[in-house]
Amino acid sequence: NAGVTQTPKFRILKIGQSMTLQCTQDMNHNYMYWYRQDPGMGLKLIYYSVGAGITDKGEVPNGYNVSRSTTEDFPLRLELAAPSQTSVYFCASIRTSGASYNEQFFGPGTRLTVL
Amino acid sequence: KQEVTQIPAALSVPEGENLVLNCSFTDSAIYNLQWFRQDPGKGLTSLLLIQSSQREQTSGRLNASLDKSSGRSTLYIAASQPGDSATYLCALSSGGYQKVTFGTGTKLQVIP
Repeated sequence: NAGVTQTPKFRILKIGQSMTLQCTQDMNHNYMYWYRQDPGMGLKLIYYSVGAGITDKGEVPNGYNVSRSTTEDFPLRLELAAPSQTSVYFCASIRTSGASYNEQFFGPGTRLTVL
Repeated sequence: KQEVTQIPAALSVPEGENLVLNCSFTDSAIYNLQWFRQDPGKGLTSLLLIQSSQREQTSGRLNASLDKSSGRSTLYIAASQPGDSATYLCALSSGGYQKVTFGTGTKLQVIP
């Protein structure tokens, strides 16, 4: 299994541009998450999904949108990028069965800079 | 609202020393607690997961404990090595799968 994969690894955007951060997992996990991590801060939840076709807002959803058309993919869309969205973005999924249920698996992250 | 605190924010120890990292939380109604390691510029790697009904988990030189009554978890690292240098984060799951709260981490440096 590749686990959780994210693309791109790095991106620089100009203010007002838009982009989509891609996230794919091959572990057949129903629950998927998008977090952002700012320097010196803990991770904050942006959006989450409990299954294909179902998404909901987390702690800091403003300026972002998500979709979940398949179990594997959970893209995060940034519309009208702002400097405040400069951050490292992590996608994660959760195992919801077996002895290690609730264990989170993370992707390698996307480092985004908005100038 | 669940609050998670990790103290100290940074720790430097000589190689070979045993050490303890702390994680404190305010709401004891948790589903589980997970310890992660994060290397600079990298994602989070799961180290240990403790379910709410468990008291501790062990993996190699790592041992994590959970005391819900006192709102504390500790990560014990035995015989530290330079390769253990990283930031260690704890995360608590409570109130459903979407309610995961992270600490801000402890940055560990193991000096050869």
